[in-house]
Amino acid sequence: AQKITQTQPGMFVQEKEAVTLDCTYDTSDPSYGLFWYKQPSSGEMIFLIYQGSYDQQNATEGRYSLNFQKARKSANLVISASQLGDSAMYFCAMRELNFNKFYFGSGTKLNVKP
Amino acid sequence: GAGVSQSPRYKVAKRGQDVALRCDPISGHVSLFWYQQALGQGPEFLTYFQNEAQLDKSGLPSDRFFAERPEGSVSTLKIQRTQQEDSAVYLCASSGTSGGILAKNIQYFGAGTRLSVL
Repeated sequence: AQKITQTQPGMFVQEKEAVTLDCTYDTSDPSYGLFWYKQPSSGEMIFLIYQGSYDQQNATEGRYSLNFQKARKSANLVISASQLGDSAMYFCAMRELNFNKFYFGSGTKLNVKP
Repeated sequence: GAGVSQSPRYKVAKRGQDVALRCDPISGHVSLFWYQQALGQGPEFLTYFQNEAQLDKSGLPSDRFFAERPEGSVSTLKIQRTQQEDSAVYLCASSGTSGGILAKNIQYFGAGTRLSVL
């Protein structure tokens, strides 16, 4: 079974609007961490936001927030006030306790329209 | 250094050639990871080092793949007798911490090496 599922291969959003990128995960481990990365065309993976499985509140980092619904095993990324520079691939990733490697989803390509 | 540095950025190899990909992690980072990213896919884990010890190599696809980090800093991923299916971007990441889930263990990535095997 896939550890991380991203069901939106591509998304369009109008500049200055908000957009939600979906991510669901699969683990039986009660302790895990969830991450979102941005990968522009240059190729480098840029860390955006982190959510721990025991965190009581949803994580926020500037224009990024994570809508964490533990019972549904979802960790959607919300980008507010989209900018043209937000156009990129976005990857959701998970790390389980006792394992340091990340499991990545297949990504969502976001296009921000002027 | 300021970030994770990988070289070369691009590598073209003829089928059957050996290649070596280099990763310079962020200075002082204990953990180092290699991932393989096929076109249009997410990165797939290859191997993990904590200092010079290779603690997990479960993702290496075959015995043609070999990684080392002899002094606990720079790492090299070597692919012997390259095949067309080895064509991908190879990403290196480093992390300043290791340990339990309470540590964020954020991985910082380099820009990758794009390997094309003809």
